[in-house]
Amino acid sequence: GAGVSQSPRYKVAKRGQDVALRCDPISGHVSLFWYQQALGQGPEFLTYFQNEAQLDKSGLPSDRFFAERPEGSVSTLKIQRTQQEDSAGYLCASSSRTSGGTTGELFFGEGSRLTVL
Amino acid sequence: DAKTTQPNSMESNEEEPVHLPCNHSTISGTDYIHWYRQLPSQGPEYVIHGLTSNVNNRMASLAIAEDRKSSTLILHRATLRDAAVYYCILRGLGNTGKLIFGQGTTLQVKP
Repeated sequence: GAGVSQSPRYKVAKRGQDVALRCDPISGHVSLFWYQQALGQGPEFLTYFQNEAQLDKSGLPSDRFFAERPEGSVSTLKIQRTQQEDSAGYLCASSSRTSGGTTGELFFGEGSRLTVL
Repeated sequence: DAKTTQPNSMESNEEEPVHLPCNHSTISGTDYIHWYRQLPSQGPEYVIHGLTSNVNNRMASLAIAEDRKSSTLILHRATLRDAAVYYCILRGLGNTGKLIFGQGTTLQVKP
């Protein structure tokens, strides 16, 4: 597809379950980002990849959150032992620019909405 | 990256111009001003960016104050599809895309 694709769009998990959220960035985009968005709030940065290298994971809220991008394209955000506070939208974005690209446009997917019961 | 301040909400009538303000009094000389918007149930989308000079594109115009401590996003003729949350974001040198969104301005467009 032409844009960033995320799946699933909606996920309901029971507390304690593990979930995996997938992101297919725009083909050829070097940079990939994950953001978390609580209801009624702006997105908050979680982590950043340049190709397969995870260069910044400063926004991951706990060690239950893990992201990978093993071949430098598709990325997976995994949340282990989900808690109710993990309920949020999870947005993936990609960019063709590498570090230092202060003008590089980010292209966002529609997000995955996670609800933890 | 420096912080920005935006009004929580604004209203506009359809087909009228809309001026969305943003204050960034602590902006540094190398910070770019970016605007994104987020339509309901969608991810944010890029609108426009600038450094010092005013900028125009097919979506909007960006007017930047001479001292760069504030800027205004201008939608020339608002449509119902422009109803969204608009975020004003500063990106400094070396910023890889770690954007600080803040609360943004929720724009309502009335028919």
